[in-house]
Amino acid sequence: QVQLQESGPGLVESSQTLSLTCSVSGGSISSSEYHWSWVRQPPGKGLEWIGYINYSGSTYFNPSLKSRVSISTDTSRNQFSLKLSSVTAADTAVYYCARGQPDRGLGDWGQGTLVTVSA
Amino acid sequence: SYELTQPPSVSVSPGQTASITCSGDKLGEKYVSWYQQKPGQTPVVVIYQDTKRPSGIPERISGSNSGNTATLTVSGTQAMDEADYYCQSWDNSIVFGGGTKLTVL
Repeated sequence: QVQLQESGPGLVESSQTLSLTCSVSGGSISSSEYHWSWVRQPPGKGLEWIGYINYSGSTYFNPSLKSRVSISTDTSRNQFSLKLSSVTAADTAVYYCARGQPDRGLGDWGQGTLVTVSA
Repeated sequence: SYELTQPPSVSVSPGQTASITCSGDKLGEKYVSWYQQKPGQTPVVVIYQDTKRPSGIPERISGSNSGNTATLTVSGTQAMDEADYYCQSWDNSIVFGGGTKLTVL
């Protein structure tokens, strides 16, 4: 059973870069079967996909965030990471990491971590 | 960019059938997944590839997709089905609908 766990600062200053890491256990991020996503959910609002990285290192991003987002992997630690630059209060959200398969949705999720952007 | 549209809310009486729609341009030509999210919990896939249920999802939850609309149907609705439901599809990237709050009255 794969498990995902987000980690990183819960408070980020406005205009700075948000950095989160997802640690994966019970499965390899190098597997060609899966891709590794970041999804966020502002308080009281819906889900927003941020982007994903696949086994070959190719990345795909939400067009609305593309200019500020990067996702990378650390295969030695079985982790993948998110960086979101120039954050504002609108980036305050619960951030989830998730594992998915093409056309099958995101079947496994971390518990989520709340990141608050302070003025 | 591609958009998926869901009604903000749907209400249903216990034991009745609830239908939640998800609309998008030529959505029937794409695969749709549905997620259930209860308060304070992470989303759970309840339908993938339009009609398939992951193990552990009851048969009273079903999905369909044709034309411009995908539909999630919950038959014999129970109090435990009260949750937010999100559709999701692919258009060179992952796209979520805005979510529908299902209320069991």
